[in-house]
Amino acid sequence: EDKVVQSPLSLVVHEGDTVTLNCSYEVTNFRSLLWYKQEKKAPTFLFMLTSSGIEKKSGRLSSILDKKELSSILNITATQTGDSAIYLCAGFNFGNEKLTFGTGTRLTIIP
Amino acid sequence: EPEVTQTPSHQVTQMGQEVILRCVPISNHLYFYWYRQILGQKVEFLVSFYNNEISEKSEIFDDQFSVERPDGSNFTLKIRSTKLEDSAMYFCASSDLTSGELETQYFGPGTRLLVL
Repeated sequence: EDKVVQSPLSLVVHEGDTVTLNCSYEVTNFRSLLWYKQEKKAPTFLFMLTSSGIEKKSGRLSSILDKKELSSILNITATQTGDSAIYLCAGFNFGNEKLTFGTGTRLTIIP
Repeated sequence: EPEVTQTPSHQVTQMGQEVILRCVPISNHLYFYWYRQILGQKVEFLVSFYNNEISEKSEIFDDQFSVERPDGSNFTLKIRSTKLEDSAMYFCASSDLTSGELETQYFGPGTRLLVL
């Protein structure tokens, strides 16, 4: 069974800090790793990573995949209160076309 | 920006009743999905749907569940006889097959289902 594990489960930092969220995966027929941000309801797409070692960046957020270590990190620099959310990581199995989600990291930014 | 929409946002039902959750996927997307998230737990895959038929389904998606695309825009999830443990947030998602990024799934805002 496919499995995705995220750490830490929760994180509280001050505004302006930099955070690193971790994701490890065991996904059969793995093709890509996705990051989502979940605020009140729907997960909002952030990144899709397919190739190892290539950083994807969007503003203060960046992410990279390590296929050798079966892991990914999501970095957020100069955090703002609007970054407070649950960050979800999901692995895509192209055999059954299914996304398997981790439990998420709850990030809280204190002003 | 195009988005997935879902109705209703909340539904309360009695155990044993049938419920239909509705979704309008992004208009040019061809792959549709339902996921659920029990309070405090992971987002879990239920079913994927392509070309008017189920593509994959999880072990959660038993005979009590069905999906349908009744017209060109709606995608529905029916639970025939709800159980207490069906209480969850149900998310619809869609992805664009033609972009080659099938796995980039865009989620709707969810329907919170409460079974009493």
